[in-house]
Amino acid sequence: DAEITQSPRHKITETGRQVTLACHQTWNHNNMFWYRQDLGHGLRLIHYSYGVHDTNKGEVSDGYSVSRSNTEDLPLTLESAASSQTSVYFCASSGGGQGSSGANVLTFGAGSRLTVL
Amino acid sequence: AQKITQTQPGMFVQEKEAVTLDCTYDTSDPSYGLFWYKQPSSGEMIFLIYQGSYDQQNATEGRYSLNFQKARKSANLVISASQLGDSAMYFCAMRPLNQGGKLIFGQGTELSVKP
Repeated sequence: DAEITQSPRHKITETGRQVTLACHQTWNHNNMFWYRQDLGHGLRLIHYSYGVHDTNKGEVSDGYSVSRSNTEDLPLTLESAASSQTSVYFCASSGGGQGSSGANVLTFGAGSRLTVL
Repeated sequence: AQKITQTQPGMFVQEKEAVTLDCTYDTSDPSYGLFWYKQPSSGEMIFLIYQGSYDQQNATEGRYSLNFQKARKSANLVISASQLGDSAMYFCAMRPLNQGGKLIFGQGTELSVKP
């Protein structure tokens, strides 16, 4: 079965360190997204991609970067982790492309819980 | 600005009763999609139901139905015959026009089902 996997599921790091969260999907979806979930804020979009070599900033992109070198992967990098980046991070994917419409349902990974001390 | 608002941080419902979770949205786009997701305590995000802005009928999926009132910009989720397993966080989300799968989420409503 197709799936979307995130790793690591849990990580503790220190302020100032670089951290990379991996996201791998086997749905062959064009669209991939990174969200963070914080209490009282729901899910907020960090970065997204509509295809290989395409990346776009979301609502809360400061301090984060992504790259898309193939269809399957969209790693999220925190260049210099800050305590404010302690959160649960969700990767998601969907079919179609930027102009897709209809019920392009977002399929989510299980989430990565990051703690920055 | 495009925004989703869920005004009920938490709700309680008796088992086997129906419950309505409120969602209002703000957009100037003529075409958009509305979604509801469930997040149980285990943390995964589970898609429940979708409503297109031009759909004539309210969406239904089993015990879930979406009460779509376009003029009021509301997309409330109705869960009939609540079950203990329905206890979870519920998120309303909107996909703007031609934005692929990009969703804007509300803050969520935590539903607790009492036995």
